[in-house]
Formats: sequence, C-alpha cells, structure tokens
Amino acid sequence: EIVLTQSPATLSLSPGERATLSCRASQSVDKYLAWFQQKPGQAPRLLIYDASNRATGIPARFSGSGSGTDFTLTISSLEPDDFGVYYCHQRDNWPYLTFGGGTKVEIK
Amino acid sequence: QLQLQESGPGLVKPSETLSLLCTVSGDSISSVAYHWGWIRQPPGKGLEWIGSIYYSGSTKYNPSLKSRVTISVDTSKNQFSLKLNSVTAADTAVYFCARLSPYVKNDFWGQGTLVTVSS
Repeated sequence: EIVLTQSPATLSLSPGERATLSCRASQSVDKYLAWFQQKPGQAPRLLIYDASNRATGIPARFSGSGSGTDFTLTISSLEPDDFGVYYCHQRDNWPYLTFGGGTKVEIK
Repeated sequence: QLQLQESGPGLVKPSETLSLLCTVSGDSISSVAYHWGWIRQPPGKGLEWIGSIYYSGSTKYNPSLKSRVTISVDTSKNQFSLKLNSVTAADTAVYFCARLSPYVKNDFWGQGTLVTVSS
C-alpha cells in the first residue's frame, strides 16, 4: 500500500498570504498525484491532477509541482474561499487508491 | 447530467451489517471506461477508499477492510452496492459513492450519506 504523508497538519494564514502544502509518498507515484479541496458537508473538489495540471475551473493561484515521492500544492495568494481541508491522492497504483491525511488551511 | 445518489439506513447497530446503495443516472454503469467505488470519511477525519467494482463484477478492496466488505453491481438497475459487516463505532462515517477513472479528472462523486453505528 502506498502511504501519503501530508504536512503540516494545520496551516494558519491570513488572506493574501502564500500557502505551501506538502505531500510525500512512501514509494514513487510517478506524476499520478492529485490534490483535492474539501469544505464542511461537501464532497471533495479536484484542484490538481497529474501533479501539476489544474482541473477545469480552478483559478491560476493554485499550482502543483513535484514527481516521484515529493509533491507541493501552492496557493499564491489566499482568498477567503480557499480555507478548508486539502488532501493529496495517488492514482499510480490504480485501482487501489490512497489519500493523505489532509492539511487544514485556517484563517489566522 | 451525471448524478450518483447514495441511499440506505442512517443508523446501524454494532455487530450488524451496513448496507448502502448507489444509484447512477446520466451514465451507464456498464461503461468500460470506469470503475464504481466507495470512499468513506469518519467525522472530522480523512478520506479512506473502501473498494471498487467494474461492470463485469471484478472487485478490488482496501486490504484493511477486505475481510468485511462486499461490493456488488446490478447493471440492469444501473446501481452498485456496499455491504460492510460486523460494524463498530469506528465505522461511523460519511460514505461517498463515486465513478472512478484511471484519469482522476474524469471522476465524479456523490454527495455522501452519514451512517452512524450505535445501539
């Protein structure tokens, strides 16, 4: 099983600040790493797929990078709607799926 | 318009079997392009993939749940189902059904249903 470890667990930032979220895989997932955003009471929303591609309708302030075992999600300038929990997710070991433990981005 | 709708009891007693149904509309569950899966999320915690099924009936399960899980498909009704036996309070979660693709951008999730395990 591929284990995804996210850090930090919580990120306290103010609107306008830059957010940097990390995801580390226990073994290489090549480029097959995605990022989701989740708000309370909602299903997760896809932000980034294949490590660096923005999903349809996702603003340019969201960007992803990395390959192999180390990945980063960057939000260049936080907006109020960006606060929530972010999960990384691997699709390399299809159809066995795993998710990271999540990073909560909260208002400072 | 694609929709996935979870249904089933919201309360299950410990040691009993949790049963959920996912009804798919707007797409055929017999599509060769997709698997159909279940993902859960305990209150305040992260996401856990439970398992997936292909229209042919081929299944893959999370090793940590494999001994208690059965996923089945009914192509005539365009539905698939989840059974989780011997439940405990740790199985209390929001359960999502989803259309899953090797290409994650083609996934589609239902809104989820809360199942509470309690006597």
